[in-house]
Amino acid sequence: EAGVAQSPRYKIIEKRQSVAFWCNPISGHATLYWYQQILGQGPKLLIQFQNNGVVDDSQLPKDRFSAERLKGVDSTLKIQPAKLEDSAVYLCASSHGDRSTDTQYFGPGTRLTVL
Amino acid sequence: SQQGEEDPQALSIQEGENATMNCSYKTSINNLQWYRQNSGRGLVHLILIRSNEREKHSGRLRVTLDTSKKSSSLLITASRAADTASYFCATDGYSSASKIIFGSGTRLSIRP
Repeated sequence: EAGVAQSPRYKIIEKRQSVAFWCNPISGHATLYWYQQILGQGPKLLIQFQNNGVVDDSQLPKDRFSAERLKGVDSTLKIQPAKLEDSAVYLCASSHGDRSTDTQYFGPGTRLTVL
Repeated sequence: SQQGEEDPQALSIQEGENATMNCSYKTSINNLQWYRQNSGRGLVHLILIRSNEREKHSGRLRVTLDTSKKSSSLLITASRAADTASYFCATDGYSSASKIIFGSGTRLSIRP
């Protein structure tokens, strides 16, 4: 079974530029998550989708971050404009269901460096 | 804000020894999970323990949960070089059926 795919793996941009990350979840998984992991910390949930609807985006900085999950499959996360403090690894995860007991499967992440 | 806090922040042990990591949390939970993260395999789910369980085993892993103390421990027995990784506990938000919140992790290094 293929895992969660993410691209790009690495991205370096200047502050105030825009960047987009892509995620392809495990086939059949209805729930998709985007996490931000700053160096030395645990992952922090940014947004959770159930199919193509948003379940939780309470920690998404909506003035600069946006995410969509068209057709309930792939998802993109965008930052516009980027700030220095956005430097982090952005992790995508998917799970079959939307309960906290459903195992989340993580992709390899995109490491973003903002200069 | 992060619900769980792992202790210690970093741990270095000799291969073959046992490693114990602890997680403390602040509010009531339905379940607690442990994840491992290393550069090779990314973030991987290890084990889930429900609030009505006190102990759970999976291979060389043993997890305990003490809801009265709001704490959990992860024991890795007979450590191997491949166990070198960061270990995170993740708790569900009691009022939220779906969200889990990760702690800041314990960095485990296994010396050959």
